[in-house]
Amino acid sequence: QSALTQPASVSGSPGQSITISCTGTSTDIGGANYVSWYQQHPGKAPKLLIFDVSKRPSGISNRFSGSKSGNTASLTISGLQAEDEADYYCSSYTTISTLVIFGGGTTLTV
Amino acid sequence: EVQLMESGGGLVQPGGSLRLSCAASGFIFSNHAMHWVRQAPGKGLEYVSVISGDGGSRYYGQSVQDRFTITRDNSRNTFYLQMGSLRDEDTAVYYCARESYSGYDSDYWGQGTLVTVSS
Repeated sequence: QSALTQPASVSGSPGQSITISCTGTSTDIGGANYVSWYQQHPGKAPKLLIFDVSKRPSGISNRFSGSKSGNTASLTISGLQAEDEADYYCSSYTTISTLVIFGGGTTLTV
Repeated sequence: EVQLMESGGGLVQPGGSLRLSCAASGFIFSNHAMHWVRQAPGKGLEYVSVISGDGGSRYYGQSVQDRFTITRDNSRNTFYLQMGSLRDEDTAVYYCARESYSGYDSDYWGQGTLVTVSS
């Protein structure tokens, strides 16, 4: 059982928007603004999409956005494209471990 | 261009040892903490270990504490994961990753190396 809870799967049609949730507690997501999101295509390494809740690394499309409310973080993908089909993982700083923790991952089907 | 390249994976018997290496290029290696992250077949991601830029601080996940050791050689732009007392559940793709300046994420990843623990 992962420390952060994500839905196992979400789906959407091209052009639509979807949101993936990531629920934690006050000792992780709710305790600091250090939530990240990663995209992973099959057989590939994860790719950083969002850091510090809502910041995008250079080169990441503005179709990807992050937010947080209380103990839940969210990743929104707008204007869905076929290449967005992948697994998505959230991660967060936690006060109960020296290592960052991950969510269990969400498979996006477009 | 930032590049990370893992090596050293393979098949090892339960109870055995293996050393993974990660060669880095394209950035000032000593300025960044470095991570090992693993992914068991069909499963999610798990942080295994992290080492600070100067090598003075090292942290491990509970599942590998006292069995794995992370080290780095800043003169060679390389860091390592010495894995011992390997168990079936250590079977995974092991990724090396660079910690970003924000401190709580990994902004560049290697392609991964597969470690299979099996008799």
